[in-house]
Amino acid sequence: DTGVSQNPRHKITKRGQNVTFRCDPISEHNRLYWYRQTLGQGPEFLTYFQNEAQLEKSRLLSDRFSAERPKGSFSTLEIQRTEQGDSAMYLCASSLAGTTGELFFGEGSRLTVL
Amino acid sequence: GENVEQHPSTLSVQEGDSAVIKCTYSDSASNYFPWYKQELGKRPQLIIDIRSNVGEKKDQRIAVTLNKTAKHFSLHITETQPEDSAVYFCAAESVSGGSYIPTFGRGTSLIVHP
Repeated sequence: DTGVSQNPRHKITKRGQNVTFRCDPISEHNRLYWYRQTLGQGPEFLTYFQNEAQLEKSRLLSDRFSAERPKGSFSTLEIQRTEQGDSAMYLCASSLAGTTGELFFGEGSRLTVL
Repeated sequence: GENVEQHPSTLSVQEGDSAVIKCTYSDSASNYFPWYKQELGKRPQLIIDIRSNVGEKKDQRIAVTLNKTAKHFSLHITETQPEDSAVYFCAAESVSGGSYIPTFGRGTSLIVHP
């Protein structure tokens, strides 16, 4: 296992288009998080899954944002009708319940909306 | 929800000096406080953490202290080296309804001058 992987690493899109990011967590990890990071800021929490259940989604930035984790393994984050303000790094992290609580981050998916 | 404040935003020191970064949190139910280091262009990685039943933890040149009454915690780096230059994020993990959600501070850019 090589850790948390995210795809694509970079995405350039035009305003109004839909984009989808994928996260593959460490295989035995049951918790999965999505964060957004803009330049000079800390990771901003978006949503959280434990296994396939989305336990917290109230902080998704708008109803244009949605996330799934259909089989409790990989997750997708979709942004519909992208806006220039959506340009950011989208980070995925995973952890294993009952252990230290350490988050293992992916390298992120950078979104640029033109 | 949890709110984490982090200071300073930038810290410049000479090699060999000590560096201290401070964070405050708002949710008294938070009980896990990790610190992450993010080097330029890389993913955040855990460097040290502390739980609420402990007041201080050390790992070689790095230490973290926690004051639960005052709701603040600090990262101490002694004998700084140029490779310590990075952005450091504190986080506080709140627990609500079975959800474990780390909230991050805005980050401190540490610059260690040789």
